[in-house]
Amino acid sequence: NAGVTQTPKFQVLKTGQSMTLQCAQDMNHEYMSWYRQDPGMGLRLIHYSVGAGITDQGEVPNGYNVSRSTTEDFPLRLLSAAPSQTSVYFCASSSHGQGARETQYFGPGTRLLVL
Amino acid sequence: SQKIEQNSEALNIQEGKTATLTCNYTNYSPAYLQWYRQDPGRGPVFLLLIRENEKEKRKERLKVTFDTTLKQSLFHITASQPADSATYLCALRPSGSARQLTFGSGTQLTVLP
Repeated sequence: NAGVTQTPKFQVLKTGQSMTLQCAQDMNHEYMSWYRQDPGMGLRLIHYSVGAGITDQGEVPNGYNVSRSTTEDFPLRLLSAAPSQTSVYFCASSSHGQGARETQYFGPGTRLLVL
Repeated sequence: SQKIEQNSEALNIQEGKTATLTCNYTNYSPAYLQWYRQDPGRGPVFLLLIRENEKEKRKERLKVTFDTTLKQSLFHITASQPADSATYLCALRPSGSARQLTFGSGTQLTVLP
């Protein structure tokens, strides 16, 4: 199993450009989520999905869109990049089970710089 | 307002000693609390989960306690090693949420040889 994969690893954008951060998992997990991590602020939830076709907003959703057409993929779209979106983005997945199955598996992250 | 706070940004300890990290929360009713390890340039890796009705959990050299009266979790690493140096994150899942986790900002632990 590759686990959770994210592409690209690093991206530089100009203000106003759009892009899609890719996330895929091969563990057949129902739950997927996107976080951003900024210095001193911890991980903050952007959007999440409890299954294919179902998405919902997290703590900081503005400026981002998501969709979940398959169980495996959960792309994050930046509509019009702003310098405030400079951050490290992590995708995570987990199953719907209880106990140990509630572990969230994180991808390696995408470092985004918006100029 | 709801907050999760980890006791300090950085903690240095001598090899072989026990490291104790603190996670405090306010205005949450947690279903459970998790601890993650994060190495530089990598995603967090799950370590332990403790539920609101559990007092203590252990895994090898790791121990987590949970006191819902004090609204605090303590994370202990016994017989610490330089390889334990990393940032440790606590994360709380509020009761009634699907899987959403709220994270603390982390404590950077350095174990000195």
